[in-house]
Amino acid sequence: DARVTQTPRHKVTEMGQEVTMRCQPILGHNTVFWYRQTMMQGLELLAYFRNRAPLDDSGMPKDRFSAEMPDATLATLKIQPSEPRDSAVYFCASGLPRGGANGYTFGSGTRLTVV
Amino acid sequence: AQSVTQLGSHVSVSEGALVLLRCNYSSSVPPYLFWYVQYPNQGLQLLLKYTTGATLVKGINGFEAEFKKSETSFHLTKPSAHMSDAAEYFCAVISFGNEKLTFGTGTRLTIIP
Repeated sequence: DARVTQTPRHKVTEMGQEVTMRCQPILGHNTVFWYRQTMMQGLELLAYFRNRAPLDDSGMPKDRFSAEMPDATLATLKIQPSEPRDSAVYFCASGLPRGGANGYTFGSGTRLTVV
Repeated sequence: AQSVTQLGSHVSVSEGALVLLRCNYSSSVPPYLFWYVQYPNQGLQLLLKYTTGATLVKGINGFEAEFKKSETSFHLTKPSAHMSDAAEYFCAVISFGNEKLTFGTGTRLTIIP
């Protein structure tokens, strides 16, 4: 089965450090989402892309977060500088517009801990 | 803006009993609706999806959901719960003309042996 690959799976970093999370969408999928999941806030949409162009990033703290798609096979989410409140699981998902026939496929997530 | 409300953050059912997880949506136009399942320390997996057409949607693992426009609901059911169904379940919505996939707060399903 095709899958969305996220790296790293786990990341522990010190406050103030830069963090980069990567996502490889499924080949042929042109819609990519970034979500953050915490116990308190649940699943929050941070940003999403269509054909590598950002459609909406209103869910991201603009001063420290940035999301890009350098090419169709890579999406990145960067946090600089990181803060303890950024500790969460970050998910990437890919699919066709409105989910196509098979919905959106999620990666296994990056568990970020900022100490 | 579209949204979904999941009633009951925790639901417990006995093994073999009916599973009913509730989801209501708010959307000014017919939405696309999804149910996803999340097992511990894993990503989300699609159970089923409603777009248009038949209002009763069958998904994986014996789950199904019925789109009821008059009630703005999309409840998830399974006739007989299995221990392996224990997980967190999320309802999600996309409205026509809007590509945002918005999730509900989730319902944690516990199966009692």
